[in-house]
Amino acid sequence: NAGVTQTPKFQVLKTGQSMTLQCAQDMNHNSMYWYRQDPGMGLRLIYYSASEGTTDKGEVPNGYNVSRLNKREFSLRLESAAPSQTSVYFCASSEQGLGGTDTQYFGPGTRLTVL
Amino acid sequence: ILNVEQSPQSLHVQEGDSTNFTCSFPSSNFYALHWYRWETAKSPEALFVMTLNGDEKKKGRISATLNTKEGYSYLYIKGSQPEDSATYLCAPTSYDKVIFGPGTSLSVIP
Repeated sequence: NAGVTQTPKFQVLKTGQSMTLQCAQDMNHNSMYWYRQDPGMGLRLIYYSASEGTTDKGEVPNGYNVSRLNKREFSLRLESAAPSQTSVYFCASSEQGLGGTDTQYFGPGTRLTVL
Repeated sequence: ILNVEQSPQSLHVQEGDSTNFTCSFPSSNFYALHWYRWETAKSPEALFVMTLNGDEKKKGRISATLNTKEGYSYLYIKGSQPEDSATYLCAPTSYDKVIFGPGTSLSVIP
C-alpha cells in the first residue's frame, strides 16, 4: 500500500518549457488535490477533483491545467513555465471531498525550479 | 474561512520542555479544525481533527484543544523530544473549503 505517489521528485525547467507532474493514489479515494508550498506561506490549493471526470479551480489556478485520468491518477501540467512557479508541489487525496472532517493524505512532493 | 494565523512562526526548545502553539481562524462558516505534522523532507501527516467547541484530542504527548466561538486552537506537546521536531500545520475547514495555516516550526534541541 504505497498511499500517494508523485513523480518526479525534482525537476529543473527553463522559462517557457512545459511539463506534467504525475500523481497516483491506491486508497480508492474519491477526491484528489494539487497544492503548492512556498516559504512563509501555507499550502495553497491549485486545483482539485472531487471525482473522476471533474475538476475545479482552487486558490491559485493560473498557469496550470489538470487532468483526472481515472480514479487513481491526477496530473498537473505547466504549459509554459515561469520563474514564479518555482515551488514545491504536493498532491493529496481524501475519501470524500474538500472541507469538512475529511483527512487529506499527501504525497512526497515535487521540488520544481524554473530558471 | 479566509485568514489563518499560526504563532509563533518558529520556536526552539530544549529536550524535556513542554510547549504550545496557537492557530487562529475566523469563526464564521467553521466546520472542523485539522492539525497536521510535517517533518522535514517528508509529507504532512494528520494528527487530529476536531469539530466541537471545547473538543480536546490527545495522542501520546501531544494534545489539542478547540474554541470555535473565539476562533482558536492550541496544540500542546508535553516533554518535547527531538523526534517532535517538525512543522505543525493547522487547517480549519468550512463545508467545502480548507485553508492551511503557514505552520509553526518546532526544533527540539537534545
